[in-house]
Amino acid sequence: AQTVTQSQPEMSVQEAETVTLSCTYDTSESNYYLFWYKQPPSRQMILVIRQEAYKQQNATENRFSVNFQKAAKSFSLKISDSQLGDTAMYFCAFMKISNFGNEKLTFGTGTRLTIIP
Amino acid sequence: GAVVSQHPSRVICKSGTSVKIECRSLDFQATTMFWYRQFPKQSLMLMATSNEGSKATYEQGVEKDKFLINHASLTLSTLTVTSAHPEDSSFYICSAKIPAGDEQYFGPGTRLTVT
Repeated sequence: AQTVTQSQPEMSVQEAETVTLSCTYDTSESNYYLFWYKQPPSRQMILVIRQEAYKQQNATENRFSVNFQKAAKSFSLKISDSQLGDTAMYFCAFMKISNFGNEKLTFGTGTRLTIIP
Repeated sequence: GAVVSQHPSRVICKSGTSVKIECRSLDFQATTMFWYRQFPKQSLMLMATSNEGSKATYEQGVEKDKFLINHASLTLSTLTVTSAHPEDSSFYICSAKIPAGDEQYFGPGTRLTVT
């Protein structure tokens, strides 16, 4: 079974600053995906960024980037030039890859991020 | 593209009654849909995986006779909470997956309150 750990229940940062959210996971799988999801107050889950485990290059999406350390099983999210709209719960998630097409997501406990004006 | 809707967005029901929540993929066909439950300030807990045309696969500890899941078409899955009790009050979220895809698209959620 896979586990995902987010050790920071809450974080806050000044607007325009950079913040890094931590995530570690445990798995015996070799092929998998890692995701960061954002859940704003509306509670709509929004995909922020994804990383394929077989790729060594860290994924980036505009102001969002990850530091993927496969050997250490670490997958942190960096948000640059933070904006008020980034205020949300952030969940790290793991999904193994299989041929069946019904793989499930395993979520971490979340980090509540507050951007301070 | 890849929009998932849920209906209703909020529902209040009396203890002992049943309530049905619908999850629809609006612009794609989803062979697999997932149902999650989220308590306040907590993470999403997977309840079951729903495959079109077959029985749902429930996670350990989830009562299949209480949480009935039907995935009758490639665009619709329903979750029926039977004989609801106040402890069933929660936020229920569905997601849908494109065949052979790896991303799940989430619905906006349904807040269930049982009085």
